[in-house]
This record gives sequence, structure tokens and C-alpha cells, in this order.
Amino acid sequence: GQQVMQIPQYQHVQEGEDFTTYCNSSTTLSNIQWYKQRPGGHPVFLIQLVKSGEVKKQKRLTFQFGEAKKNSSLHITATQTTDVGTYFCAGPSTGNQFYFGTGTSLTVIP
Amino acid sequence: NAGVMQNPRHLVRRRGQEARLRCSPMKGHSHVYWYRQLPEEGLKFMVYLQKENIIDESGMPKERFSAEFPKEGPSILRIQQVVRGDSAAYFCASSPKEGEKLFFGSGTQLSVL
Repeated sequence: GQQVMQIPQYQHVQEGEDFTTYCNSSTTLSNIQWYKQRPGGHPVFLIQLVKSGEVKKQKRLTFQFGEAKKNSSLHITATQTTDVGTYFCAGPSTGNQFYFGTGTSLTVIP
Repeated sequence: NAGVMQNPRHLVRRRGQEARLRCSPMKGHSHVYWYRQLPEEGLKFMVYLQKENIIDESGMPKERFSAEFPKEGPSILRIQQVVRGDSAAYFCASSPKEGEKLFFGSGTQLSVL
């Protein structure tokens, strides 16, 4: 079955440092979505990427979809304590519903 | 426009009892998804429903678990004869169309004693 893996599983950074999480799928994806879950909270949609090689930016966040549409990355520049949480990528299955990646938990040390 | 509403927020059951988790999707959303999350783990897909239809239940255990999304009323995830291993957070999400972004509820934390 479809597998969506993320690395790293955990990341601790000093406030102001950059952070990157990588998402890899065992199958080609029609599109990929990214979500953020704060501690004790629920996942919140961040962005969707559809095109091969697509890059999108949201303030300090940069999202990239690989050329082969099997991988994606999220990069945060100059992290802040408000960035703390777990970041999930999610990709559609053949049934067009979304399987979530394993997640990367980000801790920002002030 | 109210978000996705889940209740109860916390549910405590003894082994062998039944658990019923409710999810009211956002207004205008006819697609509902249920996910299960253990502490420090990811979101495990359970079931995908549209109004009155189960579209994909490949992530749901064959025994003791069932889900429905009736024409009127909320979607229900039902767990019969709960066991300690069922303890987890159960999240519901809805979307207006298949493949579009998901809006999540606050989840139900199920604790089985």
C-alpha cells in the first residue's frame, strides 16, 4: 500500500535557526498537502501543491513539490517559538482521500 | 460558519462498553474522514464517507468498528466492546469536495479503563 514517510521525526532548533522537513512517498502523488498540529491541538491546513516542481511561499515558510511528484519539503526560515508543533504532509490514495505522513515534531528553544 | 464539531471532547469507557463518537462537518461539506492518533504518532486513516455512503473503510478494523454518515445528523464512529488498545485521540475532518483541503475537528480523546 501507499506509504508516506517524513524525516526527521524530531527536530530541536534554537530560535532564529532554519528548519526543514522532508516528505517521501512510495508512489507518485497527484498533489500533496501540508498540515500543522500544535501540541494538544488538531491539524490545520497550510498549503496544497499540485504541479511538478512547484514552489510556494507563505511568509517564512517555503514549500516545494519534487519534479517526480514523489517528494516534498517544507522549509522555515528563522524559526520562532510560534512555529512549535508537528508538521504533516498528506498525499492522496487511489481513492482520492489523504494518507498522512509520519510527521516531524519541531521544538524551538528560545 | 461553525467549524467541524466533534463531541464529546473526552470519553471514558470501561473495557467491554461501547463508544460513540460524533462529528458534525462544516456547513456545505459532504465528505467526512475519520483518523486515529496515538500520542507522539501520526494520523492513521480509518474511514472516508459521503452522505449515506461509505467510500473507503480500508483503515478501519473489520471487527467492533463501524461508521455512518446519515442523510440527516452527524457522522458517527462506533466502537463496540472497547479494549485498552482503543485508547487514542479520534479526529474527524470534512471537505466540500473530494481531494480538497481538510478541516479538522478538535478531536475526541477516548480513554478505556
